[in-house]
Amino acid sequence: AQSVTQPDIHITVSEGASLELRCNYSYGATPYLFWYVQSPGQGLQLLLKYFSGDTLVQGIKGFEAEFKRSQSSFNLRKPSVHWSDAAEYFCAVVPMDTGRRALTFGSGTRLQVQP
Amino acid sequence: ETGVTQTPRHLVMGMTNKKSLKCEQHLGHNAMYWYKQSAKKPLELMFVYNFKEQTENNSVPSRFSPECPNSSHLFLHLHTLQPEDSALYLCASSQETGLLNNEQFFGPGTRLTVL
Repeated sequence: AQSVTQPDIHITVSEGASLELRCNYSYGATPYLFWYVQSPGQGLQLLLKYFSGDTLVQGIKGFEAEFKRSQSSFNLRKPSVHWSDAAEYFCAVVPMDTGRRALTFGSGTRLQVQP
Repeated sequence: ETGVTQTPRHLVMGMTNKKSLKCEQHLGHNAMYWYKQSAKKPLELMFVYNFKEQTENNSVPSRFSPECPNSSHLFLHLHTLQPEDSALYLCASSQETGLLNNEQFFGPGTRLTVL
């Protein structure tokens, strides 16, 4: 079945530490890939997206993500986490091999940042 | 501020009430979406409108009735809801659903509680 998976429900890191959030997808063709962030009480904000080309994508707020076709992954990274990064992070896809253009979301990873 | 506003931000209603959620986008987009975000479940697409026409209904119960009078406004009419309908309802917009680069912009959501 087609799906997008975020294996980590909850991650805690110390401020200043590096961060990697995992996202795997299961689609026949590589979908369009997105990472969104949701701060408490807020809607979703797009961090970055991948359609084609360079597999390392730079986003806002110092985030980047790397597309790895062989692993069907699109992991989000940040070299040094700030307390303000505490939020919920969603990986999302738009399949290329259907006419559907709405986003399909993973279940999310909640990030907690320790002082 | 994403250019997508939602009102009200919070709503408490009884199971016999009728209420409506409103979404407005100031981005000149032609596609609008309703998503439901429940606790411990992935974001679920409910409805998609493209140029005021409904293009997707993701098997949503008829107690939820969407309306899109123009490309800038989207409503979700609620009638005889159940407690399990309590959730955050997110509206989003994009340029149009047919584009491959279909970046969606989200509103802050309406937190709905059904008593």
